[in-house]
Amino acid sequence: KNQVEQSPQSLIILEGKNCTLQCNYTVSPFSNLRWYKQDTGRGPVSLTIMTFSENTKSNGRYTATLDADTKQSSLHITASQLSDSASYMCVVRGGSYIPTFGRGTSLIVHP
Amino acid sequence: GAVVSQHPSWVICKSGTSVKIECRSLDFQATTMFWYRQFPKQSLMLMATSNEGSKATYEQGVEKDKFLINHASLTLSTLTVTSAHPEDSSFYICSATPRAARGELFFGEGSRLTVL
Repeated sequence: KNQVEQSPQSLIILEGKNCTLQCNYTVSPFSNLRWYKQDTGRGPVSLTIMTFSENTKSNGRYTATLDADTKQSSLHITASQLSDSASYMCVVRGGSYIPTFGRGTSLIVHP
Repeated sequence: GAVVSQHPSWVICKSGTSVKIECRSLDFQATTMFWYRQFPKQSLMLMATSNEGSKATYEQGVEKDKFLINHASLTLSTLTVTSAHPEDSSFYICSATPRAARGELFFGEGSRLTVL
């Protein structure tokens, strides 16, 4: 069964600090992996998309990594800002392009 | 970038009435649209997968007679919550996969339903 597990479930950090969110998946075959940011009451917005051959991809202060061998991905946020407070979701698409969602990590950045 | 629009963004209705939520892909043709619901501080829960011109595939536990999904064109899918009850109050989100880029997935802004 295709599954996506995210950790931690929630995270609280101080403004300016870095943090890393984890995503482990069992989706096979693998098509791509996306990290989304969802602000409260809004739809998810894509941060990065990674395919099998990509190991690292950055989008501003967000850097995603992918290890296709161990089926793990991480999202690193550098110099966190208050506006980074949101839910971060890992979505993996398999061969049929049906997405499998992680439960998300809730990040709170305190001033 | 690709835009998926939902309407209405919020709606309040009386118990027993039906509510329709629209999901439109504004600048691409969507072969597949997905509908989700999300309770406060919880993750997205996939309700159904909708392919243009065919019946929606519902996830286990989702009542297809309660949540009617119609995907009549390549740019529009609708979710109708029939005979809504307070427990149907939730945040409903759609997403769409472009016909020309099946690896992509774009989300709408969501529709908040409150049933009194």
